[in-house]
Amino acid sequence: GAVVSQHPSRVICKSGTSVKIECRSLDFQATTMFWYRQFPKQSLMLMATSNEGSKATYEQGVEKDKFLINHASLTLSTLTVTSAHPEDSSFYICSARDATGGYEQYFGPGTRLTVT
Amino acid sequence: GENVEQHPSTLSVQEGDSAVIKCTYSDSASNYFPWYKQELGKRPQLIIDIRSNVGEKKDQRIAVTLNKTAKHFSLHITETQPEDSAVYFCAASINRFSNDYKLSFGAGTTVTVRA
Repeated sequence: GAVVSQHPSRVICKSGTSVKIECRSLDFQATTMFWYRQFPKQSLMLMATSNEGSKATYEQGVEKDKFLINHASLTLSTLTVTSAHPEDSSFYICSARDATGGYEQYFGPGTRLTVT
Repeated sequence: GENVEQHPSTLSVQEGDSAVIKCTYSDSASNYFPWYKQELGKRPQLIIDIRSNVGEKKDQRIAVTLNKTAKHFSLHITETQPEDSAVYFCAASINRFSNDYKLSFGAGTTVTVRA
């Protein structure tokens, strides 16, 4: 089946530093990847839609200069949290759509970010 | 944008009983309705999905029904087992060539199956 990986699975960083999270589709090509943030005991909130070769589309209220998204290839999208603060601590999950079609999105295992 | 509401927020059932979770959506253009099971600290797992051209779909103990007119869909789990305990999310999206295929999630239902 379609597999999506994320790296790292956990990261702890100091306030003010930047963190990069990678999302890879391992056995399929993904023209579209999505980035979600999930706070404890809450739902998944879409942050942005990432299309290969073009700029990401951010949801209302998400700071594009703080959450930098790059989708440089059909199998890799990255999310960089710049100048992280404790309130950015969350579970970040990516998902990907197969470029060949189909409705399903395939989710990565998530990255737990803790900012101290 | 799409707004998905999910009820109840928590559900406790006796092992062997059925569990039902209901969701409503706001955008009549939505045409894809997946259900996910998420265990603590893990990724959401697709357990069943339904498209708008179908009214009901079943997979063993799990079934989903869709009422397009009323804009609501439901998840039914029969013969619940302790391993069904998890958080369940409904979602809706507009899957068309010209659309981003974005998923809008419900708030989630924490299901506890009592042994």
